Amino acid sequence: GQNIDQPTEMTATEGAIVQINCTYQTSGFNGLFWYQQHAGEAPTFLSYNVLDGLEEKGRFSSFLSRSKGYSYLLLKELQMKDSASYLCAVRSVQRNTPLVFGKGTRLSVIA
Amino acid sequence: GAVVSQHPSRVICKSGTSVKIECRSLDFQATTMFWYRQFPKQSLMLMATSNEGSKATYEQGVEKDKFLINHASLTLSTLTVTSAHPEDSSFYICSARMREGDTQYFGPGTRLTVL
Repeated sequence: GQNIDQPTEMTATEGAIVQINCTYQTSGFNGLFWYQQHAGEAPTFLSYNVLDGLEEKGRFSSFLSRSKGYSYLLLKELQMKDSASYLCAVRSVQRNTPLVFGKGTRLSVIA
Repeated sequence: GAVVSQHPSRVICKSGTSVKIECRSLDFQATTMFWYRQFPKQSLMLMATSNEGSKATYEQGVEKDKFLINHASLTLSTLTVTSAHPEDSSFYICSARMREGDTQYFGPGTRLTVL
């Protein structure tokens, strides 16, 4: 089975940096995804890691350590529009299986 | 990124009626589509997985006779909520991927309210 943990809520200040952690336990790991979901909207793809290390994409970076079952999403220069839920999702090597999502971290960016 | 559309975006219906939700992949052929349900402040819960041309695989606890899924083509899947009840009120989201191992792209979701 798969188990994914991430903090329920976080608050950060506009212009600051925030790190959202995700730990997972899975058999047959084959990649970790981060999605952003604004209230009442569907998730949008942010990043994908399958090898250890840091993937940088503009203000957002995602890190993976497969040996530790750990990932984080780093958001720099926070903007008010970054207030959303951030979902960590894990893919299995098992054929024809969907992503398994964590419960999401609700980030509030304050002035 | 790939584009997935859903229709309608919002629907209100009376208890006992049926509602059909369409999910389309607009610029790619989706061999697999997934249907999720999300209650307020909760995570996405997978309902079923459908492959084009074959029967959907439902998750445990999801009634296949109540939630009818048809994946008739590589660009269209439909979810029909039959005999809807107020407890079926939720946010329904479809997701599509082109091939095994590809990124899943999500539709904009359909908010269903059953009165």
